[in-house]
Amino acid sequence: DGGITQSPKYLFRKEGQNVTLSCEQNLNHDAMYWYRQDPGQGLRLIYYSQIVNDFQKGDIAEGYSVSREKKESFPLTVTSAQKNPTAFYLCASSTPGDSKRNGYTFGSGTRLTVV
Amino acid sequence: AQKITQTQPGMFVQEKEAVTLDCTYDTSDPSYGLFWYKQPSSGEMIFLIYQGSYDQQNATEGRYSLNFQKARKSANLVISASQLGDSAMYFCAMREIMEYGNKLVFGAGTILRVKS
Repeated sequence: DGGITQSPKYLFRKEGQNVTLSCEQNLNHDAMYWYRQDPGQGLRLIYYSQIVNDFQKGDIAEGYSVSREKKESFPLTVTSAQKNPTAFYLCASSTPGDSKRNGYTFGSGTRLTVV
Repeated sequence: AQKITQTQPGMFVQEKEAVTLDCTYDTSDPSYGLFWYKQPSSGEMIFLIYQGSYDQQNATEGRYSLNFQKARKSANLVISASQLGDSAMYFCAMREIMEYGNKLVFGAGTILRVKS
């Protein structure tokens, strides 16, 4: 079945370390997105990519970086510049034909904790 | 910029009863789409229902219906015959068109607890 795979499910990071969250989709979707979710808040957009080798900053891009070298992959790196990285991270994808109704397809998320 | 407001941080409902989750939105775009998602404790986001701004009828999907009042800019989710499995976080979202593509703008969410 098609879907989005995020790994790992849980991730622990030491202060000052960079970590990379994986997101892979086999839906043949053009667009991919990274959202951050904090307790009691909705999802906020970090980065998005409409096509391969191109991506745009979202609302809270500071301290994060992404790449889009392949259509099916959109990894997110949380750098040491991100001062409060502990959160739940959700990856999503969409394609123009689907986005009118179903919006996005989401992965199951990665919970990042700074220790 | 578009904005979504969900004023109910938490709600309780008795099993088998109906419940309404509130959502108001703010946009200057004449064409927009509104979505509701369910997020159980596992964290996945489950699409429930969609309403387009030009849709003539309120959207329905099984036990879910959307009470769309365009003039009031509200898009409330109605869940009929609540089940224990409906206990989750519920998000209202609006599609925002950007220079490069589109994104979903989310409200803060409402936690629903179904009591037996």
